[in-house]
Amino acid sequence: GAVVSQHPSWVICKSGTSVKIECRSLDFQATTMFWYRQFPKQSLMLMATSNEGSKATYEQGVEKDKFLINHASLTLSTLTVTSAHPEDSSFYICSARDERTSTYEQYFGPGTRLTVT
Amino acid sequence: GENVEQHPSTLSVQEGDSAVIKCTYSDSASNYFPWYKQELGKRPQLIIDIRSNVGEKKDQRIAVTLNKTAKHFSLHITETQPEDSAVYFCAASKGNFGNEKLTFGTGTRLTIIP
Repeated sequence: GAVVSQHPSWVICKSGTSVKIECRSLDFQATTMFWYRQFPKQSLMLMATSNEGSKATYEQGVEKDKFLINHASLTLSTLTVTSAHPEDSSFYICSARDERTSTYEQYFGPGTRLTVT
Repeated sequence: GENVEQHPSTLSVQEGDSAVIKCTYSDSASNYFPWYKQELGKRPQLIIDIRSNVGEKKDQRIAVTLNKTAKHFSLHITETQPEDSAVYFCAASKGNFGNEKLTFGTGTRLTIIP
């Protein structure tokens, strides 16, 4: 099956700094990728839809100036958490669908655990 | 937008017995309903999915049923084993190009008692 990777797998940063998380589709191209956030013992909440070559679409309540998304190529989307605060500490997961197939299955990255101190 | 509700939030089942988790959705345009298993600190793993043109789908010990009229779908796990212990999420999407975003249920923590 299709493989999605994320980097880093975990990161600790100080309050006020920025952190970049990468999401890559390793063996397929994806014009659309999705970014989710998952707090401990909670569900996955969609933050934004990343569109290759155009602006991301953010879900209601997600600050686009705080969570910068860049989908510069068909295999890479990045999420930058700017001016991070402790409340941004969470598990960030990306996903993508293999658009070569007719299936609707989405492939998830392994996630990035962000801790802001 | 879509709203997906999931019950129960926790479920304990004796090993070998069956487990059933139920979800309801609000958007009648949703046509793709996957189920995920997530272990602590790991990515969600697709265990089974169903499209709206099908009422039931089975894969070994796992089955999913869909009632489009009532807008609910259920996960059935038979002959449960300790390795089935995990958090399970249902989700819904419109499935096709440009509409793939998933709305997740709140999750069910399943514990299999040996």
